[in-house]
This record gives sequence, C-alpha cells and structure tokens, in this order.
Amino acid sequence: KAGVTQTPRYLIKTRGQQVTLSCSPISGHRSVSWYQQTPGQGLQFLFEYFSETQRNKGNFPGRFSGRQFSNSRSEMNVSTLELGDSALYLCASSLAGIGNTIYFGEGSWLTVV
Amino acid sequence: GQNIDQPTEMTATEGAIVQINCTYQTSGFNGLFWYQQHAGEAPTFLSYNVLDGLEEKGRFSSFLSRSKGYSYLLLKELQMKDSASYLCAVRMDTGRRALTFGSGTRLQVQP
Repeated sequence: KAGVTQTPRYLIKTRGQQVTLSCSPISGHRSVSWYQQTPGQGLQFLFEYFSETQRNKGNFPGRFSGRQFSNSRSEMNVSTLELGDSALYLCASSLAGIGNTIYFGEGSWLTVV
Repeated sequence: GQNIDQPTEMTATEGAIVQINCTYQTSGFNGLFWYQQHAGEAPTFLSYNVLDGLEEKGRFSSFLSRSKGYSYLLLKELQMKDSASYLCAVRMDTGRRALTFGSGTRLQVQP
C-alpha cells in the first residue's frame, strides 16, 4: 500500500515568486492536512481538507492557500514568497474518523533565496 | 492555545531504557500521538493514546494520564538507530484533525 506521496521533493524559488506543492494521500484516506516545519518554530499546522472543503486553518497569512480535489489529492500554494517561507512542508492523511492515525509524507523542501 | 512541553535533548546508552515525557493542557483534549523523526526525514507514526493507560508495541510503549495532562514514551533495549527526534502531538477539540506539536526531544543513543 503506497504511502503519502508529495511532489516535488526539493525546490528553490526566488523571493516574490509563488509555489505549488502537491500531495497524494494514502488510498482511501479523505482527510489531508498540511504542516510547515522549520528549525525555529517546529511543526505547525497550516490547514486541513476533507471532502474538498477546508475544515480548519492554522495561524498563517493569506499567502498560504490550498485545495483538495474530488480524488482527495491536495495542493497547497504559497504566493509572494518570503525568505522565512523556507521550510519543510509536510502533508498528512488519515481516514475519515477522528480517532484514526495520521500518516505523513516525506515532505517538500522549499528554499527561498 | 495549546502548550506542549517536552525535554529538548536526552542522551542514553545502547541497550538501556529511556522515558520521554510530554505535558499538555487538558482542556479540549482529544488524543495524543508520538512520532519519530530522523534528521531530514518525515515523521513516522509510533503510537496513539486517547484513553488512560499504557499502550505497548514491541520495544516502544506510550502512557497517557488525561487528568494530569501527561504522557510518556518508553523506549526499551535502545539501539543506535533510535537516535532521532521524538515528537509529542495533541489533537484538540472533537471534529478537528489538526495536531499541535511539541518542539520535539532529540535523543542521542551512545554505544
């Protein structure tokens, strides 16, 4: 059974550009969440999608957005990139029930220069 | 918001037992996860506790006390490959799947 798949794994962008990251959840998982991990702030929740609807949003500016498609795949977008957006972006998926385990993908390493 | 505390660093010897503690605010608690993360890799699920008590999985065990807002991860028969960061994460509020993470405990296993 394939795990959570994220693309691209590594990318470098310039300040002011925008970036789109993609996530394919584990087959059958309809909940997809995104997290940002930095050395200074640790792992922080960005947003969660379920059935193509954003259910929760973390404390991030509006430059961070996302969406989920009917096949549960998800994308997140960061516009007007800043140096501080350099981070590991992790996607996680789980089954529909609240008590289910949350599994993480290998992440997308974003460097903003 | 939720405040999760765990030690920043721990050192232990190969073959020994180590306990990593985690404390959290109890209001709205709806489950606690432990993840292992090796440098440069994604977090790997270790355990999930929602009821009080001890959950055992091979060399790893996790304990939860909801009334005290306290959990620990117990690692037995430590191996060098156990050197990693261990993340405590709490899910708050029924209906939400968002996790709030502690800053992680970096465990160094020495020969």
